[in-house]
Amino acid sequence: SAVISQKPSRDICQRGTSLTIQCQVDSQVTMMFWYRQQPGQSLTLIATANQGSEATYESGFVIDKFPISRPNLTFSTLTVSNMSPEDSSIYLCSVEGRLGNTEAFFGQGTRLTVV
Amino acid sequence: GQQLNQSPQSMFIQEGEDVSMNCTSSSIFNTWLWYKQDPGEGPVLLIALYKAGELTSNGRLTAQFGITRKDSFLNISASIPSDVGIYFCAGRVISSGSARQLTFGSGTQLTVLP
Repeated sequence: SAVISQKPSRDICQRGTSLTIQCQVDSQVTMMFWYRQQPGQSLTLIATANQGSEATYESGFVIDKFPISRPNLTFSTLTVSNMSPEDSSIYLCSVEGRLGNTEAFFGQGTRLTVV
Repeated sequence: GQQLNQSPQSMFIQEGEDVSMNCTSSSIFNTWLWYKQDPGEGPVLLIALYKAGELTSNGRLTAQFGITRKDSFLNISASIPSDVGIYFCAGRVISSGSARQLTFGSGTQLTVLP
C-alpha cells in the first residue's frame, strides 16, 4: 500500500479565512481523491483530483469553495475557502493502491475547526 | 446514486465475544471494502472483496461478498480492547458516469468492554 502524508494534521481557523491541505504520496498513483467527514458522520467524496487538469467535483461541492491542485502523480492540495463553522470536519486524502487495483488507501486526515 | 445501509450503528460487547456487522445496498457492487477508523486517524483498509460469494479472512476478521452482490458482512472473532473503533463498509460500482467512486456506509461504532 502507498504511504500517504497529509499536512496539517489539525488546525483551528478563523471564519472567512482559507486553509490549504497538502497530500503527499510516496509513489506515483493514478487516482487521488478528497473526502470530507463531518463530526460523527461517514465519508463523503468531495472531488477527484486529476493530474494536469481540473478536478472533478461531486454534487454539492464547487471549485470556488474547494479548489484542488494536482501538479503531478504524487501530490495534491485541497483548499477550503472562505471558511465558516459548517466547514469544521475531517478532510481526507485517498489514493488508489496500484494501477488496476480497486483498493483505496487514506491519509491520516486533517481535522479542521472553524471558529 | 447508490445507497449503503450499515448495521448496527453501534455495538457494546464483552471482550472475547464475536461481533458481526453488515452492509446492504440498493445497487450491485463490483467491490466491497471494509475499513476501521481509530480516533484522529484516517480509515485503514481491513479486507477487500472482489467476487460474489468470496469469503476472505485477515486474522480474526472475516468478510464475505454476498451472492446477490448487494450485501457484505464483517465478522470479528474473540474481540480484544484494540478492536474498539468505527468500522465502515464501502462499495464500488464501475460505471462510465462515476468510474471507481466509492460509496461508504454510515459506520458501526464498536466498544469492547473489559
